[in-house]
Amino acid sequence: DTEVTQTPKHLVMGMTNKKSLKCEQHMGHRAMYWYKQKAKKPPELMFVYSYEKLSINESVPSRFSPECPNSSLLNLHLHALQPEDSALYLCASSHFGTGRTDTQYFGPGTRLTVL
Amino acid sequence: KQEVTQIPAALSVPEGENLVLNCSFTDSAIYNLQWFRQDPGKGLTSLLLIQSSQREQTSGRLNASLDKSSGRSTLYIAASQPGDSATYLCAVRHNTGGFKTIFGAGTRLFVKA
Repeated sequence: DTEVTQTPKHLVMGMTNKKSLKCEQHMGHRAMYWYKQKAKKPPELMFVYSYEKLSINESVPSRFSPECPNSSLLNLHLHALQPEDSALYLCASSHFGTGRTDTQYFGPGTRLTVL
Repeated sequence: KQEVTQIPAALSVPEGENLVLNCSFTDSAIYNLQWFRQDPGKGLTSLLLIQSSQREQTSGRLNASLDKSSGRSTLYIAASQPGDSATYLCAVRHNTGGFKTIFGAGTRLFVKA
């Protein structure tokens, strides 16, 4: 099973709302990632968790708050977003630091629209 | 700072043609390079991953090569089919800075039936 699941598929929120994106994998991967992808642009790395600890934060605004409650789950908490934050948010996972091939497997994404 | 470039930006070919997509990167100190395909509005599907010590990888009609010293990778697609129509992205990963991944802008491929 090489599946990464993401919920919800679509999300519309106002600038004052608080919402969360969820990502789950059961491949035994110990690295999980959040990417942001604007239309017709490549994915841009936001955060990386390795062994449930935040290892990369690409200078992302604090209105995005990641959380990794266990090795299978990754959340992205959203608060006071701006319309320019509207994008496809992609989650990925891979092996990390084990000597095994660390192919990144991506979920289908959450299409976020901020009004 | 690593920069990843993909040429061409778009490509339209008739069905059955063999084609080559190019990816170049400025910093050769990479950990691996991965090729993905992305259908419109969807997530990324991994095609091939080449470790820095490898020269090529093959999967079915796909062959990816890596020349780390010159900062280049190519994705060869044999006997293209309309179902191959998608955006193809290459991504390089470093072994420093937390294994950061940087994507190229992609090549949009259209295979005509």
